[in-house]
Amino acid sequence: DAKTTQPPSMDCAEGRAANLPCNHSTISGNEYVYWYRQIHSQGPQYIIHGLKNNETNEMASLIITEDRKSSTLILPHATLRDTAVYYCIVRASRNTPLVFGKGTRLSVIA
Amino acid sequence: DTAVSQTPKYLVTQMGNDKSIKCEQNLGHDTMYWYKQDSKKFLKIMFSYNNKELIINETVPNRFSPKSPDKAHLNLHINSLELGDSAVYFCASSRSGNTDTQYFGPGTRLTVL
Repeated sequence: DAKTTQPPSMDCAEGRAANLPCNHSTISGNEYVYWYRQIHSQGPQYIIHGLKNNETNEMASLIITEDRKSSTLILPHATLRDTAVYYCIVRASRNTPLVFGKGTRLSVIA
Repeated sequence: DTAVSQTPKYLVTQMGNDKSIKCEQNLGHDTMYWYKQDSKKFLKIMFSYNNKELIINETVPNRFSPKSPDKAHLNLHINSLELGDSAVYFCASSRSGNTDTQYFGPGTRLTVL
């Protein structure tokens, strides 16, 4: 079973920042927080991951609370192509599979 | 360049048939996976291979048999197909390590009639 809780859906205006929350209150010390997204009819796409520090890459930023019980994925300037289901996953290291929950369906609106 | 590729993209077949789905990755990864996404859109791991050896085998009927001829390929063979096998099957690969990121293929939509 997924160890994360996400809102089922969110809307975001095009050009605005999309902030997707995730609760993972039972996360263990060796577990990372991963974010993937799945655009309609495509395979899941890796976005970003982190352990305890905030992370940023060309796609997004990941903010992890100090107690690591929740995190927020930030898409700084959402576009229509960012419309997708976003999955927050906690995962220990080394060859463990990704356990997908229901994710958040983000709709970016023009 | 395609990183993780799957063939075929669509597969329609009759109940009781045997079919195979092929997966290839050109990323130099040593771990490969098969996931199943059912009609309710839940994605679940089926198998994982590391250096051609099976390391994860979730509760999957033994009609499903993965085969890894080399590190770049992980094929999925399904015997005696059933209606409930209809789903989208995704292959993925990663480089084993502390934070191995998985890269997914485009999926194979299997429809059993």
